[in-house]
Amino acid sequence: GESVGLHLPTLSVQEGDNSIINCAYSNSASDYFIWYKQESGKGPQFIIDIRSNMDKRQGQRVTVLLNKTVKHLSLQIAATQPGDSAVYFCAENKRRNTPLVFGKGTRLSVIA
Amino acid sequence: NAGVTQTPKFRVLKTGQSMTLLCAQDMNHEYMYWYRQDPGMGLRLIHYSVGEGTTAKGEVPDGYNVSRLKKQNFLLGLESAAPSQTSVYFCASSYSLGNTEAFFGQGTRLTVV
Repeated sequence: GESVGLHLPTLSVQEGDNSIINCAYSNSASDYFIWYKQESGKGPQFIIDIRSNMDKRQGQRVTVLLNKTVKHLSLQIAATQPGDSAVYFCAENKRRNTPLVFGKGTRLSVIA
Repeated sequence: NAGVTQTPKFRVLKTGQSMTLLCAQDMNHEYMYWYRQDPGMGLRLIHYSVGEGTTAKGEVPDGYNVSRLKKQNFLLGLESAAPSQTSVYFCASSYSLGNTEAFFGQGTRLTVV
């Protein structure tokens, strides 16, 4: 069964605020956890990944946090912009050299 | 640089009809994948390929067949379409199987009536 899931299907934030998108996982053996962004009418696009032996990784305006104790993954977007409106998927590769398994997605809506 | 290209972008089929979705990538990637996306279900893996001439089943392979005759192309076939196969289909490719960055096409919206 699916081992990656998201807490909320939708999230609305004010422009300029920080966004936090959450994901729970059940497979402790996963090597990497990944976040993808899917804009309307497009295919998913890679944002950032984090290896299972790390707690935090930062990118441009995004931070991914991994809490292995409670099997929780989050994506933080700083100063959310209208262009951040999209569906965000967490994903994992359950074992090395296996295809990615995606969660159900959270739709982020940015209110101007 | 086109990346991953899917054809067609839209299609309506009658139940029982057959069709083939074509995926082409120009990044010389070894690995290619077909996912389907349904509302509230996320992306589910149908089939994948680890190289020319090879294919493997994913999470939801029933009702689909695939072929990888050339490294750059990955075909998804529906032999006898069913309404349950109404979905948006995405092809993706990656440099390696465990690579976290997969490149996706724009998707094919298929409706089976």
